[in-house]
Amino acid sequence: EIVLTQSPGTLSLSPGERATLSCRASQSVSSRNLAWYQQKPGQAPRLLIYGASNRATGIPDRFSGSGYGTDFTLTVSRLEPEDFAVYYCQQYGSSPRTFGQGTKVEIK
Amino acid sequence: EVQLVQSGAEVKKPGESLKISCKGSGYNFATYWLGWVRQMPGKGLEWMGIIFPGDSDTRYSPSFQGQVTISADKSINTAYLQWSSLKASDTAMYYCARLPSKLFMGAFHFWGQGTMVTVSS
Repeated sequence: EIVLTQSPGTLSLSPGERATLSCRASQSVSSRNLAWYQQKPGQAPRLLIYGASNRATGIPDRFSGSGYGTDFTLTVSRLEPEDFAVYYCQQYGSSPRTFGQGTKVEIK
Repeated sequence: EVQLVQSGAEVKKPGESLKISCKGSGYNFATYWLGWVRQMPGKGLEWMGIIFPGDSDTRYSPSFQGQVTISADKSINTAYLQWSSLKASDTAMYYCARLPSKLFMGAFHFWGQGTMVTVSS
């Protein structure tokens, strides 16, 4: 099973700042089969990025994903008030599919 | 428009059985993989398992194999997650979510609203 470790656990930033979230895999994620989700309190998760760097439908271009192998990054170029949430990475290159433990982006 | 609508919140006692549902609409239900994700209170997301309603091919995470049963009835566009004997540790929000194609590959592009299951004596 691939274990995904996200860091940091919590990121305290101000609106307008850049957020950089990390997701490290215990073994290589095949074919960049990695996704990022955003979850706000009381809501279901929402897909942001798939294939490591492809934005899902309707996702603003301030969200970008990069990386390959075992190291992946989600970047939010300029935080908007609605971006403060918890973010999860997920690999779907091998079974069982697994999620990271999440990074909370909070208002500083 | 793809929609996944889940059944309502449940409150059960330990040892009871339960079956929650996820009804898909806006697409050909039989030809897309549909999975289940657990979120315990204040915790992260856990991938439980997934089913292809067309032929009921089902895959489980080892952590959930034998603990739950995933099924689907393609005639009524509905997938199910069931327990035969609930435990307090099954208290969680459960989400259904759909893959983007008929292949067992991809992220969950579409999500249900979640079903809260509370198990307490």
